[in-house]
Amino acid sequence: QKEVEQNSGPLSVPEGAIASLNCTYSDRGSQSFFWYRQYSGKSPELIMFIYSNGDKEDGRFTAQLNKASQYVSLLIRDSQPSDSATYLCAVFGNRGSYIPTFGRGTSLIVHP
Amino acid sequence: DGGITQSPKYLFRKEGQNVTLSCEQNLNHDAMYWYRQDPGQGLRLIYYSQIVNDFQKGDIAEGYSVSREKKESFPLTVTSAQKNPTAFYLCASCVTSGGREQFFGPGTRLTVL
Repeated sequence: QKEVEQNSGPLSVPEGAIASLNCTYSDRGSQSFFWYRQYSGKSPELIMFIYSNGDKEDGRFTAQLNKASQYVSLLIRDSQPSDSATYLCAVFGNRGSYIPTFGRGTSLIVHP
Repeated sequence: DGGITQSPKYLFRKEGQNVTLSCEQNLNHDAMYWYRQDPGQGLRLIYYSQIVNDFQKGDIAEGYSVSREKKESFPLTVTSAQKNPTAFYLCASCVTSGGREQFFGPGTRLTVL
């Protein structure tokens, strides 16, 4: 059973702080990793993807992948109240798999 | 603009009724997916299709049916056999090469009366 685990939260951080969201996965052969942001009542929006070990930065967002330890994280710098949402981690398995496994998401609250 | 559309945004179903949720994409994506999301829960896969005229059951296919007659369209029918259909339904699509990042439609919220 392929699993993707996320702490459900809520993770509460003050405005301007760094929010760190973590995701672990069980399938060692996983190849592609995605972070989605989902506002309440809305559909998920892709914000980051990463395929290789290390860090990938895009604006205030940094995705970090460590395949040896089987975790992927998302850092949000200078957190804003508008970042308050649920963040979903999605993992694709071995090459040729078209079925991602989603975590249940971490709720982030950024308070002024 | 390229994207995924779902209709209707809200849908109400009476007991014993079949209802069909529409999903259309103009992204030229080969693969399409249907997910169900319940409050406070993650996404659960209902059906997926990698190519036209072919589709496979996901984790919770019972009580649902789909068709894929056109690349752009992947409608989902919620049948009367689905005993607890009240949920948020999300359609997604992606390419079948490269990173396979999925893009989602705006969703349909189905309520059983």
